[in-house]
Amino acid sequence: IAGITQAPTSQILAAGRRMTLRCTQDMRHNAMYWYRQDLGLGLRLIHYSNTAGTTGKGEVPDGYSVSRANTDDFPLTLASAVPSQTSVYFCASSDSSLAPNEQFFGPGTRLTVL
Amino acid sequence: LAKTTQPISMDSYEGQEVNITCSHNNIATNDYITWYQQFPSQGPRFIIQGYKTKVTNEVASLFIPADRKSSTLSLPRVSLSDTAVYYCLVSKKTVAQKLVFGQGTRLTINP
Repeated sequence: IAGITQAPTSQILAAGRRMTLRCTQDMRHNAMYWYRQDLGLGLRLIHYSNTAGTTGKGEVPDGYSVSRANTDDFPLTLASAVPSQTSVYFCASSDSSLAPNEQFFGPGTRLTVL
Repeated sequence: LAKTTQPISMDSYEGQEVNITCSHNNIATNDYITWYQQFPSQGPRFIIQGYKTKVTNEVASLFIPADRKSSTLSLPRVSLSDTAVYYCLVSKKTVAQKLVFGQGTRLTINP
């Protein structure tokens, strides 16, 4: 089934640990994004990538890093997790040449940092 | 980036037409208006996008007056499954990384 998959679905992590959230899309979209959503709030952009090999910072990039080695995968890494990074993380993609504002979202990863 | 303002919450009933208005007084000439829908425990889903006048698809209609300082998302004959949070966003069509999701409007449809 075409779309975006994220893994894991949920995770409880001890503070200070390193964690990578995985995101894979099979729509051959050139652009991909990572957002976080805190309880009762809208989404905030963490990092984005307009095409494989390039990345950019969003609104809240501190404490996170990304890489885009190929078109399909866009992992998000927390080098040393802190409790304030407890959130739901959504990965998204879009075809920026056709409809960049029409983003397709994954099911999310619920991360709890203790 | 143009700031958007929309009601925090709305209530309606099955079968009714629901209109959610979004204010974006500082919208720029090359900004587009996009609406997303989010169900609990799911990622947002694109609903509709427009620049001016009226846009309609199988899900909703988007009305944009001539001054473009506001827009109205219209959901015809809502059902319980339309209960969700609806986000209004304003951005350049070619700069997707600048999408800013506010708090949205929590729409509750009652039987």
